[in-house]
Amino acid sequence: DQQVKQNSPSLSVQEGRISILNCDYTNSMFDYFLWYKKYPAEGPTFLISISSIKDKNEDGRFTVFLNKSAKHLSLHIVPSQPGDSAVYFCAASDTGTYKYIFGTGTRLKVLA
Amino acid sequence: DTAVSQTPKYLVTQMGNDKSIKCEQNLGHDTMYWYKQDSKKFLKIMFSYNNKELIINETVPNRFSPKSPDKAHLNLHINSLELGDSAVYFCASSQEQRARETQYFGPGTRLLVL
Repeated sequence: DQQVKQNSPSLSVQEGRISILNCDYTNSMFDYFLWYKKYPAEGPTFLISISSIKDKNEDGRFTVFLNKSAKHLSLHIVPSQPGDSAVYFCAASDTGTYKYIFGTGTRLKVLA
Repeated sequence: DTAVSQTPKYLVTQMGNDKSIKCEQNLGHDTMYWYKQDSKKFLKIMFSYNNKELIINETVPNRFSPKSPDKAHLNLHINSLELGDSAVYFCASSQEQRARETQYFGPGTRLLVL
């Protein structure tokens, strides 16, 4: 029962262009969403989050969009840089359970 | 000054053995977690401890026993290792056990059971 899905296992983007990573969820009780970034041989690091009361949150080059009716969120990276090459995990939680459900990740490669 | 550290980084062992993975955090956090990332890349929570008290125990075989000697440490002991236990195990911590807390992850322990 995969409640959080990242259907694109990999994505390649040219440096300077926009990277768009997508995430879908099935549980309508989820009310908080996060993106984590992971480099090889390291643990995931927190990138950006969004509450279900918002539809957009921005932090520098990173913007997360939430479409509750479609149960879909996306992470936009503009402009993409080679250092952004990593695996990106989407995660979701609902206030009642205090635990995060992670997607399987999307490997982003930014080409110089 | 690693915030969340795990030892060992790599662990290769035979089926049936017992092994432990150690985790320490120097962030002063109250809550610690163990996650398992399997071959399909699913990152799933196994346990959560808050102030040395077990809070979350996700249908994990009882061969897995977490132990929290103090708030800064959460160790994972695995008895009678099986092939299916091969995975990357991540420790994490957060300030409190509540919704919307950012979790900080360790570098992972790559366990291979032969």
